[in-house]
Amino acid sequence: SQQGEEDPQALSIQEGENATMNCSYKTSINNLQWYRQNSGRGLVHLILIRSNEREKHSGRLRVTLDTSKKSSSLLITASRAADTASYFCATEIPGANSKLTFGKGITLSVRP
Amino acid sequence: NAGVTQTPKFQVLKTGQSMTLQCAQDMNHNSMYWYRQDPGMGLRLIYYSASEGTTDKGEVPNGYNVSRLNKREFSLRLESAAPSQTSVYFCASRRDRVESPLHFGNGTRLTVT
Repeated sequence: SQQGEEDPQALSIQEGENATMNCSYKTSINNLQWYRQNSGRGLVHLILIRSNEREKHSGRLRVTLDTSKKSSSLLITASRAADTASYFCATEIPGANSKLTFGKGITLSVRP
Repeated sequence: NAGVTQTPKFQVLKTGQSMTLQCAQDMNHNSMYWYRQDPGMGLRLIYYSASEGTTDKGEVPNGYNVSRLNKREFSLRLESAAPSQTSVYFCASRRDRVESPLHFGNGTRLTVT
């Protein structure tokens, strides 16, 4: 079973709206990372949040982490058509010998 | 900087054929990874190399072998391809063993008939 699972599986919004994506995981983590994948391309790292952090910002991105609920959320504010992509959360587990486990991803469509 | 370069971009194999997927990074990263991506399955780790000279199995290693040729290059070999290995393969690297982001190549789309 997946360590990280994103929710919803697909999201369609209008340009200018905010997009919120969630990730839940099962075991304790060292950190959680979010990635974006445009069609036909490799994944691109967006943001990393450590287990002792609760919130991080990067431009229009805001990530939160709630270790008591084992969940994270990614908020994209003022979305643009160029934000259309798949988004993945990835977790790094203590003692996991340097590997990241990915969820199945969320497909975000931003309508112009 | 090219980042992570994968070759080939596309490949079609017949069942039973063998091939090697090549990956090279020019960022002086220590750790390298091979993932496969299938519809509805997300990314699954095949093999990884935490540092030059070491390799370890990931979640789905059966049917694959890897070689960490040097710090830059990490290849994935299919000895006898099967239709179940039809997938998109991604190579990734990162600077440190832990707590650093992965840098991905653009993938190899493999079809086994």
